[in-house]
Amino acid sequence: IAGITQAPTSQILAAGRRMTLRCTQDMRHNAMYWYRQDLGLGLRLIHYSNTAGTTGKGEVPDGYSVSRANTDDFPLTLASAVPSQTSVYFCASSAGTSDADTQYFGPGTRLTVL
Amino acid sequence: EDQVTQSPEALRLQEGESSSLNCSYTVSGLRGLFWYRQDPGKGPEFLFTLYSAGEEKEKERLKATLTKKESFLHITAPKPEDSATYLCAVRVAAEYSSASKIIFGSGTRLSIRP
Repeated sequence: IAGITQAPTSQILAAGRRMTLRCTQDMRHNAMYWYRQDLGLGLRLIHYSNTAGTTGKGEVPDGYSVSRANTDDFPLTLASAVPSQTSVYFCASSAGTSDADTQYFGPGTRLTVL
Repeated sequence: EDQVTQSPEALRLQEGESSSLNCSYTVSGLRGLFWYRQDPGKGPEFLFTLYSAGEEKEKERLKATLTKKESFLHITAPKPEDSATYLCAVRVAAEYSSASKIIFGSGTRLSIRP
């Protein structure tokens, strides 16, 4: 069992370009999340999905979009990348959204926008 | 405003030198506190969940405790392989979701010298 996989591992992107970060989980978890991690700021939630077919905005959603067509996949799209989106992006999942549900994280994608 | 603060930002210990990491929180209603370990270039790895003041959990050389205002991660006789960044996170009610949200601290970078 791989858990959560993310692709690409790292990417350098020109400003203004469109980019999709991929996330796949094989744990049949209902909920999935996208975070960004910046030095000194901790992990911040971008978007989430409590179940397939639904999505919601987190703390820092501007400039990002997501879709959840099925249980396993939760891609994150930057429609027109800007340098402030340079960060490490983590996808996470949890079985559900109750207080007892733990979030498990993928290995991350390091994105640099020039 | 809900807030999670971890201290110290960085801690260097000699192998075998026990110490504690602190996570203090100011939240409107705690619904769980989490500890994660993060190795360089990897995603956070789940360690513990604590739900109520007085609760304790242990795993190998790590013990997590919880009070009404803070949590401690005690490391007993650490080894070099315990070197990592330790993240604390709290679950609280979310204004943007019918479920809850998780707020992360910025982490403590722990280094154990042989």
